[in-house]
Amino acid sequence: GAVVSQHPSWVICKSGTSVKIECRSLDFQATTMFWYRQFPKQSLMLMATSNEGSKATYEQGVEKDKFLINHASLTLSTLTVTSAHPEDSSFYICSARGTGDIEAFFGQGTRLTVV
Amino acid sequence: GQNIDQPTEMTATEGAIVQINCTYQTSGFNGLFWYQQHAGEAPTFLSYNVLDGLEEKGRFSSFLSRSKGYSYLLLKELQMKDSASYLCAVIDSNYQLIWGAGTKLIIKP
Repeated sequence: GAVVSQHPSWVICKSGTSVKIECRSLDFQATTMFWYRQFPKQSLMLMATSNEGSKATYEQGVEKDKFLINHASLTLSTLTVTSAHPEDSSFYICSARGTGDIEAFFGQGTRLTVV
Repeated sequence: GQNIDQPTEMTATEGAIVQINCTYQTSGFNGLFWYQQHAGEAPTFLSYNVLDGLEEKGRFSSFLSRSKGYSYLLLKELQMKDSASYLCAVIDSNYQLIWGAGTKLIIKP
């Protein structure tokens, strides 16, 4: 299967700071990228969908000014958690899908802890 | 609304067989995925069904009935490493992936 690399795997930051998470498709062109958040013992919650070169589409209840998504190229999307607070501590996962593909491939996930 | 149901938790014995069910009601259907997710890790792909019937892949098999809005994942010869959450997900008519809440499978020796 195709490879999606997500970085960093884990990050600890102070409350009020911003954190950037990168998601790269290594061997295919990701026209669509999905960002998920997963709290302990819960399922994946879709935060937003981004298409290369377009603004991301956010799910209801997700603050677009707090979770900035950039999908400027066919191989890279970034999620920036701005002014992070302890309640933003979670597991963030990206997945990427190529044009005409059904399956989306997951990155390894990022464990964010805000202290 | 769109809805995917699967049991919250199941327990099985090492070496046995377990079937995890998934029922769905979505606006359109373009396929159903099963993923395995170990704690603290991202989901990994297990199977994809778009036509009715059984797809077998080693110890794991997945079944789909579109008319019933029903799928199951069958795990044979259970091993301790199969302890994980199993996520059912459906692609709707807009090619959006709709996720179930996942089934936590506990394997006992």
